[in-house]
Amino acid sequence: EVQLVESGGGLAQPGGSLRLSCAASGFTLSSYSMNWVRQAPGKGLEWVSYISTSSDTIYYADSVKGRFTISRDNAKNSLYVQMNSLRAEDTAVYYCAREGIAATGLDYWGQGTLVTVSS
Amino acid sequence: SYVLTQAPSVSVAPGQTARITCGGNNVGGKSVHWYQQQPGQAPVLVVYDDSDRPSGIPERFSGSNSGNTATLTISRVEAGDEADYYCQVWDSSTDHWVFGGGTKLTVL
Repeated sequence: EVQLVESGGGLAQPGGSLRLSCAASGFTLSSYSMNWVRQAPGKGLEWVSYISTSSDTIYYADSVKGRFTISRDNAKNSLYVQMNSLRAEDTAVYYCAREGIAATGLDYWGQGTLVTVSS
Repeated sequence: SYVLTQAPSVSVAPGQTARITCGGNNVGGKSVHWYQQQPGQAPVLVVYDDSDRPSGIPERFSGSNSGNTATLTISRVEAGDEADYYCQVWDSSTDHWVFGGGTKLTVL
């Protein structure tokens, strides 16, 4: 069974940092591109970042570029996002999501981890 | 940047057909994916590549895409279909995934 489990969310101060992790199981992580998607309270889905299977291609949404860094460790079956210079508008549930082969949408999602940025 | 437009809400009676649209400039030239999100839950992929269904998704869910509009059709709507629905495309000009704003489906 494919499982994605996020962790690392919590309360951070404006300007602070957090590192989110996503533990993957039930499939070979190294065969799939991965994404982070977030959802602010009561709002819609917002794509955050993409990383290819071998980390050689990485993309970011304009809203997080220069502040967030996506990475992965295929040997540890894990995906990460380092979030720096956090802002109130980064408050959201953060989901990791597996990208289907040939970019056929995001076929599996974790349950999400809540990040709250507040003083 | 590429924009996908969805109506905020759609209402339908049980047993009827719901149609949720997703508008975008020449969206017919892109592959559209659809997600269902129940309250408090993670999104679930219900249609990919315009009209294909992942395993486990009922045949009642179907999709189409042409011109400037993609459509998710839910036949024989059930109370359990009440959820938010999002469309998504890959914008190759910016190398970004783009989501529509979402449509809340209410089953009357």
